[in-house]
Amino acid sequence: EDQVTQSPEALRLQEGESSSLNCSYTVSGLRGLFWYRQDPGKGPEFLFTLYSAGEEKEKERLKATLTKKESFLHITAPKPEDSATYLCAVESRGGADGLTFGKGTHLIIQP
Amino acid sequence: DTAVSQTPKYLVTQMGNDKSIKCEQNLGHDTMYWYKQDSKKFLKIMFSYNNKELIINETVPNRFSPKSPDKAHLNLHINSLELGDSAVYFCASSATQGLRETQYFGPGTRLLVL
Repeated sequence: EDQVTQSPEALRLQEGESSSLNCSYTVSGLRGLFWYRQDPGKGPEFLFTLYSAGEEKEKERLKATLTKKESFLHITAPKPEDSATYLCAVESRGGADGLTFGKGTHLIIQP
Repeated sequence: DTAVSQTPKYLVTQMGNDKSIKCEQNLGHDTMYWYKQDSKKFLKIMFSYNNKELIINETVPNRFSPKSPDKAHLNLHINSLELGDSAVYFCASSATQGLRETQYFGPGTRLLVL
């Protein structure tokens, strides 16, 4: 069974204080790893897809990286509007049954 | 224009009732999904469906049934609602099933069973 573990569960940073969120996964053949952002009361919003170890993707202050066992979401000089829950999900080669999500990291950026 | 929409946004009902949640996508996608997000905010797949097959997560009770009148819609019917069904239900869609396609989510339906 596919498993996704995210850490930390919650993270509070000062505006401008860079940090990283971790997503560890165990799958039977990774087809893709996805990062989503979820704001309170809303659905997950797609950020990145990573397909193979060594791959990196960037979007504004966010950068996602992938190894064979984990992915990191690096946040550089965050702003208060980056506050949200960040969800990691995997799709495995058995993967006709949707994404397997982690429980998310609740990120708070204080001004 | 909203890509994936759900109605209603909130649903409060009594135990034992039967209810439906509607989902529509205007992305031209072939595959749609239903997810359940429980009180601990854990998102879990319930169903995936395209015009060829329905895949059901084995943990989903048979009181839950998806119905697709056409490719743009996947409604969720729930019979004999139980207290434990209270959660947020998200619909999602992707261009094709699997094949590394990005899933786009609706805003969610907050179901409260009393």
